[in-house]
Amino acid sequence: EVQLVQSGAEVKKPGESVKISCKGSGYSFTTYWIAWVRQMPGKGLEWMGIIYPDDSDTTYSPSFEGQVTISADKSISTAYLQWNSLKASDTAMYYCARHGEAYGDQRGWFDPWGQGTLVTVSS
Amino acid sequence: DIVMTQSPDSLTVSLGERATINCKSSQSVLYSSNNKNYLAWYQQKPGQPPKLLIYWASTRESGVPDRFSGSGSGTDFTLTISSLQAEDVALYYCQQYHSPPITFGQGTRLEIK
Repeated sequence: EVQLVQSGAEVKKPGESVKISCKGSGYSFTTYWIAWVRQMPGKGLEWMGIIYPDDSDTTYSPSFEGQVTISADKSISTAYLQWNSLKASDTAMYYCARHGEAYGDQRGWFDPWGQGTLVTVSS
Repeated sequence: DIVMTQSPDSLTVSLGERATINCKSSQSVLYSSNNKNYLAWYQQKPGQPPKLLIYWASTRESGVPDRFSGSGSGTDFTLTISSLQAEDVALYYCQQYHSPPITFGQGTRLEIK
């Protein structure tokens, strides 16, 4: 079974750092793009950026460039999303999602999705 | 960026009736070299991640009931549920993957009358 399993919920204070993870299994991790998607409380879906685990080729949405870092460790089939200095406005559910087709470019639909990681930033 | 606009924002339909959700893109998402529309539809139920329903505008994902169908081309697209079931209550999103940054519609909430 193809699945993405994300790390658990995080509660942080403004200014703190955090790194959440997304572990793929049941498929060739290096040959599918993985994206990160934000969903703020009660809001819609926002594409943050994408990484190709085989060579770590990464593209960020302009809205998130410089705010987060996307990385991957193909040796353990895991992608990451990290912040160096969190803000209260980063409070959201974060999903990783795999492209529906192997190889290709950054343009693709997403299937499957991870279960989500809730990041709460509060003083 | 390509802006995706869904209509309506919310929809109330009786069980067994047809539900129609529209999605309009600010630019064409039809790629001329392969004649494919780079448009997907997702269903999101409370407390769950989105689930893929349709890709290439009209290709149903494996395991998705055939009451779900997608249509349209260029800038105008439709998700149709032919006979609404109770388990179809959810939020529905369209997504374009023609041009990064990938963008989603704002979502349509579907409820039972």
